[in-house]
Amino acid sequence: GAVVSQHPSRVICKSGTSVKIECRSLDFQATTMFWYRQFPKQSLMLMATSNEGSKATYEQGVEKDKFLINHASLTLSTLTVTSAHPEDSSFYICRSRREDMNTEAFFGQGTRLTVV
Amino acid sequence: QKEVEQNSGPLSVPEGAIASLNCTYSDRGSQSFFWYRQYSGKSPELIMFIYSNGDKEDGRFTAQLNKASQYVSLLIRDSQPSDSATYLCAVGSGSARQLTFGSGTQLTVLP
Repeated sequence: GAVVSQHPSRVICKSGTSVKIECRSLDFQATTMFWYRQFPKQSLMLMATSNEGSKATYEQGVEKDKFLINHASLTLSTLTVTSAHPEDSSFYICRSRREDMNTEAFFGQGTRLTVV
Repeated sequence: QKEVEQNSGPLSVPEGAIASLNCTYSDRGSQSFFWYRQYSGKSPELIMFIYSNGDKEDGRFTAQLNKASQYVSLLIRDSQPSDSATYLCAVGSGSARQLTFGSGTQLTVLP
């Protein structure tokens, strides 16, 4: 079946540094990629929606200059957390959507970011 | 603002029993409804989706949708300890299929 590969699965970084998270669709073209953040015992909160070749659409309250999203190809979307702070520590998950399928199953494995 | 509400639990049921999970949503224009299972530290895994009013069964799982009441539920029959997880209800709308997630219900199946 369709797979979305997300890397890294875990990352620890120092405050002030940047971290890049990648999501790749392995056997299909992902025209749309959704990026979520999940704090402990809370639900998934949509951060932004990216479409291949265009600028991402950010949800209210999400700083686009801090969370840089690039969707340069149909198989790769990246989220870069710039100048990370401890409050950015969270579980980040991507979800891809296939235009030819009516299911919303294609989540990446998630990235646990810890900023120290 | 679109809202999806779930009881946070925890919900505990004995092994072999039926677990009933409930979800309500605020947007009457919602078109698609999903149940995900999420184990601790893992990303969500799709269990069921339902688009039309009524029941939809898949193995031990039954999703029930009532659009008039803006209510969707998930029944898990013959619950197993491996079913212990957080269950997320998600509601989709729009052509881009954005999903709004509930906060999840933590289910524990006791051996």
